[in-house]
Amino acid sequence: KNEVEQSPQNLTAQEGEFITINCSYSVGISALHWLQQHPGGGIVSLFMLSSGKKKHGRLIATINIQEKHSSLHITASHPRDSAVYICAASGGSNYKLTFGKGTLLTVNP
Amino acid sequence: EAGVAQSPRYKIIEKRQSVAFWCNPISGHATLYWYQQILGQGPKLLIQFQNNGVVDDSQLPKDRFSAERLKGVDSTLKIQPAKLEDSAVYLCASSLSRGPRDEQFFGPGTRLTVL
Repeated sequence: KNEVEQSPQNLTAQEGEFITINCSYSVGISALHWLQQHPGGGIVSLFMLSSGKKKHGRLIATINIQEKHSSLHITASHPRDSAVYICAASGGSNYKLTFGKGTLLTVNP
Repeated sequence: EAGVAQSPRYKIIEKRQSVAFWCNPISGHATLYWYQQILGQGPKLLIQFQNNGVVDDSQLPKDRFSAERLKGVDSTLKIQPAKLEDSAVYLCASSLSRGPRDEQFFGPGTRLTVL
């Protein structure tokens, strides 16, 4: 069983819809990361959070430490948001990242 | 600021051949990571360097994979000999240090296909 689980694996939405991607982790962490990966492209860090909530434009990330759960929300989704969104937990003495398998988001116009 | 550079971007080889990937991290970043990302999976850490020393190589298949960062700057990852299951994207990332708040910056990756 992976230490970081994401859901859903695949998500298709219509432009303008509100999107939620969930992440659960079973290990103690120092921080939780949300990353974005476009097809054929590298990975871009969206958020790094250890408590509460962060917002950047139309993206919002929340974390509940007690429940070991984080969510990534996208408001007013757009086709350019189509990508794989990856949750990763950092912990241990080296703050090593353990990645989820990713959520493939497709936003149709 | 220049990002993490990797080359080549794509490589196709036959099984049992050798291959090498190169990574140049962001200037001043002490920590360098090599990840393997198999299609449909999240990245898996292969090796982590702090300057030119290895911090974690617990998931590196040492019978066929090797990596070095001799001068504490750029790094090479080698596979010798390659197997079919090595087909993946190899990602290099760097961070200023290896603390809990240090963000990792990723390169574009090298897509390896082993035939």
